[in-house]
Amino acid sequence: GAVVSQHPSWVICKSGTSVKIECRSLDFQATTMFWYRQFPKQSLMLMATSNEGSKATYEQGVEKDKFLINHASLTLSTLTVTSAHPEDSSFYICSAPSAGGRGETQYFGPGTRLLVL
Amino acid sequence: GQSLEQPSEVTAVEGAIVQINCTYQTSGFYGLSWYQQHDGGAPTFLSYNALDGLEETGRFSSFLSRSDSYGYLLLQELQMKDSASYFCAATGGFKTIFGAGTRLFVKA
Repeated sequence: GAVVSQHPSWVICKSGTSVKIECRSLDFQATTMFWYRQFPKQSLMLMATSNEGSKATYEQGVEKDKFLINHASLTLSTLTVTSAHPEDSSFYICSAPSAGGRGETQYFGPGTRLLVL
Repeated sequence: GQSLEQPSEVTAVEGAIVQINCTYQTSGFYGLSWYQQHDGGAPTFLSYNALDGLEETGRFSSFLSRSDSYGYLLLQELQMKDSASYFCAATGGFKTIFGAGTRLFVKA
């Protein structure tokens, strides 16, 4: 199956700093990638849809100025958590849909655990 | 809006069969997926139904009834390693929304 990588896998940072998370599709091109956030023992909440060559589409309630998304190429999307605060501590997961792009099958990255002190 | 409902927890014994139900409400529904997630890991794809009926993949099967906005995941010959969270996810409008997840505990 297709492979999606994320970097870093773990981040610990001080409150007020910015953190960048990279999501790469390793063996396929992804014009669309999805960013999710998951708090402990909860579901995956879709934050935004990252579109190559255009602006990301954010879900209701997600601050676009706080969670900056850039889809720089067909294999790379980045999520930057700006001025992170302890409440932003979470598990951030990206995914890319299978060929066909409707999203029915998604390949997930391994996730990035963010801890803001 | 979009929402999915599934039981929060299910417990079963090794070797048994368990069914995890999911009802959904979503606009522009295209299909229902199932994902498995072990503690600390990322979700992994299990199955997908776009049409009514049963899809079988080894020990796992998934069913969809579009008229009832209902689906289920069936796990047979349960093994200890199947203890995990299982999420149903509805795809519509080019995005996928996840249910709250069902935590499956498999006992010896």
